[in-house]
Amino acid sequence: AQSVSQHNHHVILSEAASLELGCNYSYGGTVNLFWYVQYPGQHLQLLLKYFSGDPLVKGIKGFEAEFIKSKFSFNLRKPSVQWSDTAEYFCAVNDRGSTLGRLYFGRGTQLTVWP
Amino acid sequence: DTGVSQNPRHKITKRGQNVTFRCDPISEHNRLYWYRQTLGQGPEFLTYFQNEAQLEKSRLLSDRFSAERPKGSFSTLEIQRTEQGDSAMYLCASSLRDRGQFFGPGTRLTVL
Repeated sequence: AQSVSQHNHHVILSEAASLELGCNYSYGGTVNLFWYVQYPGQHLQLLLKYFSGDPLVKGIKGFEAEFIKSKFSFNLRKPSVQWSDTAEYFCAVNDRGSTLGRLYFGRGTQLTVWP
Repeated sequence: DTGVSQNPRHKITKRGQNVTFRCDPISEHNRLYWYRQTLGQGPEFLTYFQNEAQLEKSRLLSDRFSAERPKGSFSTLEIQRTEQGDSAMYLCASSLRDRGQFFGPGTRLTVL
């Protein structure tokens, strides 16, 4: 079975600071990769996804993520965070070779941005 | 809003009672997933439907849990003889093929 590790459980930043959230997965096959965000009181929303091609993917609200296959990583980045980025961020993967599509999630990283 | 909807949003029940949750996916989505999320954890997969066929069930889904998706549209998740350990947020997601899953707001279950 696959597993996903998010090493930072809680990150606290000031506005305009740069952000990088780590995500590592364990699986030897080909994967699809996702970042989801959950703002306070709201449901999970898809932030960005990687299926194939350019390993640097851009999502909504200025977020981007880079897939590094050799490191089994898919880290999320944003050059300058805003107070409105305060949320919980989840990394997820699924097996591209499977027709079933179930997602494996990390435990999540709570990001708090101080104004 | 044509996103995924779930009802009820909150359910409080006594141990031993049966509960049923409903999920209405995005209309053109043929894939429907149920997940469970507890405090401090990411969502954990429970079961998956492609159209009306239930194609995968997690080992987390004990015999007390059953899910259906009649006619390949909405889905229900029933928990019989609830236990306190069933308290969690139950999430539904839908997708078209494997292009990213869209989640509903969830049903928060509290078992007293």
